Amino acid sequence: GEDVEQSLFLSVREGDSSVINCTYTDSSSTYLYWYKQEPGAGLQLLTYIFSNMDMKQDQRLTVLLNKKDKHLSLRIADTQTGDSAIYFCAEIHAGNMLTFGGGTRLMVKP
Amino acid sequence: DSGVTQTPKHLITATGQRVTLRCSPRSGDLSVYWYQQSLDQGLQFLIQYYNGEERAKGNILERFSAQQFPDLHSELNLSSLELGDSALYFCASSTPKTGLDADTQYFGPGTRLTVL
Repeated sequence: GEDVEQSLFLSVREGDSSVINCTYTDSSSTYLYWYKQEPGAGLQLLTYIFSNMDMKQDQRLTVLLNKKDKHLSLRIADTQTGDSAIYFCAEIHAGNMLTFGGGTRLMVKP
Repeated sequence: DSGVTQTPKHLITATGQRVTLRCSPRSGDLSVYWYQQSLDQGLQFLIQYYNGEERAKGNILERFSAQQFPDLHSELNLSSLELGDSALYFCASSTPKTGLDADTQYFGPGTRLTVL
């Protein structure tokens, strides 16, 4: 299995909040990232959190980090149809290589 | 637009052939990373170069090689191609930062390789 795990699919209604969860394994990771991939497009960096923080807010995005449980979540407030995409969490390892989860496909229904 | 460019956008070739993918990092970035995204393996780190030198190696096959040139652009060479090499290949770039700033990787749009 993958070192970083995410659920495969999430469906929400427009205007609701979305919460995408991720578990990682490397407790020495200094940073954890969220990337967004729209169909046919590359990876867009959404946000990141330093491992000594437990929360980071950036406009509609809130990242929560529980280092004890190695659990990371991304909350999107007031989800819009344009938020439909695949969301990847990633942890960074020595040498700056990113290890990605399998991605969570978010579907937003109007 | 991340500032990372990759060419070509699409590449269709036959088994046994060799191809070269090209990446130009963001202005000022010294590190270039290559990742492969396939349906069965997901997103996997292949290799990193920093200022012309190989820095880290991941799950890169021996048939694959990369280099970073003095102008900091990078090329990924894939040879003896097999059907299973069909994937999206991403390049990312970053510049090491100090303190609390993340050494954040910015990704290009990718090159979609189809091996027939």
